[in-house]
Amino acid sequence: DQQVKQNSPSLSVQEGRISILNCDYTNSMFDYFLWYKKYPAEGPTFLISISSIKDKNEDGRFTVFLNKSAKHLSLHIVPSQPGDSAVYFCAASANTDKLIFGTGTRLQVFP
Amino acid sequence: DAGVTQSPTHLIKTRGQQVTLRCSPKSGHDTVSWYQQALGQGPQFIFQYYEEEERQRGNFPDRFSGHQFPNYSSELNVNALLLGDSALYLCASSFVIQGVGYGYTFGSGTRLTVV
Repeated sequence: DQQVKQNSPSLSVQEGRISILNCDYTNSMFDYFLWYKKYPAEGPTFLISISSIKDKNEDGRFTVFLNKSAKHLSLHIVPSQPGDSAVYFCAASANTDKLIFGTGTRLQVFP
Repeated sequence: DAGVTQSPTHLIKTRGQQVTLRCSPKSGHDTVSWYQQALGQGPQFIFQYYEEEERQRGNFPDRFSGHQFPNYSSELNVNALLLGDSALYLCASSFVIQGVGYGYTFGSGTRLTVV
């Protein structure tokens, strides 16, 4: 039972454009959502998070949007840079610090 | 300030053997969680240790066990290894305030290959 789903395994975006990564979840008890970035041979690195009491959180080039009624969140990266090329994981938790991860989306930013 | 440290980085074991993976948490963190990441999948929660006790456990068999030491470092033990145990094992540390975890930080992982 996959409670957190990332339905796009890969995404290719031109440098300077917007990257939009999507994530859907099924558990209405989730109240905290996070995005992690992972390079090969490294552990996941925290990127940005959002609490269920908000619908938007912004940090520099990264913005996360949460639509609770649709059980959907998205990560926007503007402008995209080649160094953003990595695998992005969406994760969620329900009032604990046990994280449930999606399967990841591989982002490729090309010049 | 060192982050989360895991050892070894790579390991090859034979089916049926036992393995121990180690994790040192980030300074100031008292909680350690272990995750298994199979190829092409997201990390799957194995279990979490706090105050030297297993606090939560995911859907993994009893062959997977762990330990947390007084200095908050942790070990993950897997007995009777199966080929399907081949994966990247990630350790994450955090600190807990009133039951909620903060500062979740991952190590680089141990790549376990079972042959």
